[in-house]
Amino acid sequence: DAGVTQSPTHLIKTRGQQVTLRCSPKSGHDTVSWYQQALGQGPQFIFQYYEEEERQRGNFPDRFSGHQFPNYSSELNVNALLLGDSALYLCASSFGQGPGNTIYFGEGSWLTVV
Amino acid sequence: AQSVTQLDSQVPVFEEAPVELRCNYSSSVSVYLFWYVQYPNQGLQLLLKYLSGSTLVKGINGFEAEFNKSQTSFHLRKPSVHISDTAEYFCAVSDLGSINTGKLIFGQGTTLQVKP
Repeated sequence: DAGVTQSPTHLIKTRGQQVTLRCSPKSGHDTVSWYQQALGQGPQFIFQYYEEEERQRGNFPDRFSGHQFPNYSSELNVNALLLGDSALYLCASSFGQGPGNTIYFGEGSWLTVV
Repeated sequence: AQSVTQLDSQVPVFEEAPVELRCNYSSSVSVYLFWYVQYPNQGLQLLLKYLSGSTLVKGINGFEAEFNKSQTSFHLRKPSVHISDTAEYFCAVSDLGSINTGKLIFGQGTTLQVKP
């Protein structure tokens, strides 16, 4: 049973560029969330997708956008990259919504902005 | 708003010794509580969670945590650590407010360093 898979694992972008990160949820899961983890910090919630709609959003600017596809996979897009966007981006999945659901995390995509 | 404070950024301990990683939270509504572990260059793995019931929660790898509502704490303990427990540990909360669909709020993390 495959867990949460993310791609790419590492990438380097130039300031001002745009990036797309991809995530496939754990089998049977229909809810996908994205988190940003800066070096030495705890993960911060970006947003959650369920039934192809953004359901909840953290304190991130509109440069961060996402999408969920009918097969429950998801993309995170970041426009106009800043140096401060350099971080590990974690995708997480669960079955259904709700604060008590067990959330499974992928290994992340390391983004470096130069 | 909710917040999580992990009181120790680093905890060094010798192998086979007991360990406690401390976590306090602040919230105006009831919360669910979680501990996650992150091994180097990996994602987060759930150790245990408290939703309701007994305040002592047992998790994987011999870890347990105790919920103390009056102290707003959720400390993680293990009676005897192994070298393989060396990792980053994160405490997290998820509030039971009507608009929360599962967002986790994490602490800054505690690095557990197990020495031989």
